[in-house]
Amino acid sequence: AQKITQTQPGMFVQEKEAVTLDCTYDTSDQSYGLFWYKQPSSGEMIFLIYQGSYDEQNATEGRYSLNFQKARKSANLVISASQLGDSAMYFCAMREAVWDMRFGAGTRLTVKP
Amino acid sequence: DGGITQSPKYLFRKEGQNVTLSCEQNLNHDAMYWYRQDPGQGLRLIYYSQIVNDFQKGDIAEGYSVSREKKESFPLTVTSAQKNPTAFYLCASSPGVNTGELFFGEGSRLTVL
Repeated sequence: AQKITQTQPGMFVQEKEAVTLDCTYDTSDQSYGLFWYKQPSSGEMIFLIYQGSYDEQNATEGRYSLNFQKARKSANLVISASQLGDSAMYFCAMREAVWDMRFGAGTRLTVKP
Repeated sequence: DGGITQSPKYLFRKEGQNVTLSCEQNLNHDAMYWYRQDPGQGLRLIYYSQIVNDFQKGDIAEGYSVSREKKESFPLTVTSAQKNPTAFYLCASSPGVNTGELFFGEGSRLTVL
């Protein structure tokens, strides 16, 4: 069964505007972690932000924030003040109480000048 | 600098040949992983290893083999039994179970001619 769902294959945003990338997940565990990664065209995976299932506050890292709604099982990524360099693939991922991490299919974000 | 080194970056193989992708880390991490990424898709787990001399199959282990003889090394062999091996392969590591993000190498792109 699909654990991580990203329903937006592609998104466009105007430079300097904010954008929200959607992510929903499925787990019966109480303890889990949620992650967002950025993958530029070069291919490397860049860690952006982490949210633990017991964290009461939404995580923030600079221009990135994670809108965590536990009851809805959603973990949306918000990028504020978009920059041209933000154009990339973005992946949502989850680690349950095991060793491996599972990824969604990704969203391709394009920032327009 | 600490990190994960994958080699080669690009590899071409004839059908029926085995090929081994190298992954070395100097982060002193216990866990290591191999993921496969197909164009426009997310990452799928091939194998992971929690500790030296131990590894577990992921979702798509058929046609692949791994070894973990040293903590810092986790090579992946793509065998001739893998029906569609052309893909981008990413190696990752983490300090341990459920302890935060995965750290990724820059990837190896395998093309079968």
